Amino acid sequence: NAGVMQNPRHLVRRRGQEARLRCSPMKGHSHVYWYRQLPEEGLKFMVYLQKENIIDESGMPKERFSAEFPKEGPSILRIQQVVRGDSAAYFCASSPRLAGGPETQYFGPGTRLLVL
Amino acid sequence: DAKTTQPNSMESNEEEPVHLPCNHSTISGTDYIHWYRQLPSQGPEYVIHGLTSNVNNRMASLAIAEDRKSSTLILHRATLRDAAVYYCILRDGFAGNMLTFGGGTRLMVKP
Repeated sequence: NAGVMQNPRHLVRRRGQEARLRCSPMKGHSHVYWYRQLPEEGLKFMVYLQKENIIDESGMPKERFSAEFPKEGPSILRIQQVVRGDSAAYFCASSPRLAGGPETQYFGPGTRLLVL
Repeated sequence: DAKTTQPNSMESNEEEPVHLPCNHSTISGTDYIHWYRQLPSQGPEYVIHGLTSNVNNRMASLAIAEDRKSSTLILHRATLRDAAVYYCILRDGFAGNMLTFGGGTRLMVKP
């Protein structure tokens, strides 16, 4: 059973460009979470999605960031007009059903975004 | 989410047991105690979780204090591959889908 897949693993963008990060959850998982880890900092929750629905986006920056999880295909985290402060590792996690106390999240290897 | 407190770093010798402490004095009755770890340049990895009773799995053991205000992750024989940042996280059993990561404990394993 393949794990959570993220691509690209490394992404370089110039300021003002768009970054698209993809996440394919584990087979059978319908819940996806995105986290960001800034250099030398801890992981911070960004957004939680189910198929075609955003459930919790309380951790998403108000501007330039958006996420989707369509009925078919991977979840996409989109960053418009990137700035240097967006340089970070972005991790995706998935779980098989509504996550509560005992539920485990399975993480992908991350996408490391570098904004020049 | 209730807050957890962990030492910033710990050191261990290879093949010796490691006890990683976590304080969570404001834990609620429905909070589960989860441990994840993050190896260098990798995504976090689930280690173990528990509610009230001690738990064992192939990776580690989790010892939970009787009052649940603290817990200890036990690696029975540390290997170099266990060098990572270990995160102790509380998750509400009824809600709270996100994981709230603190600073964690950076475990260094000496050969």
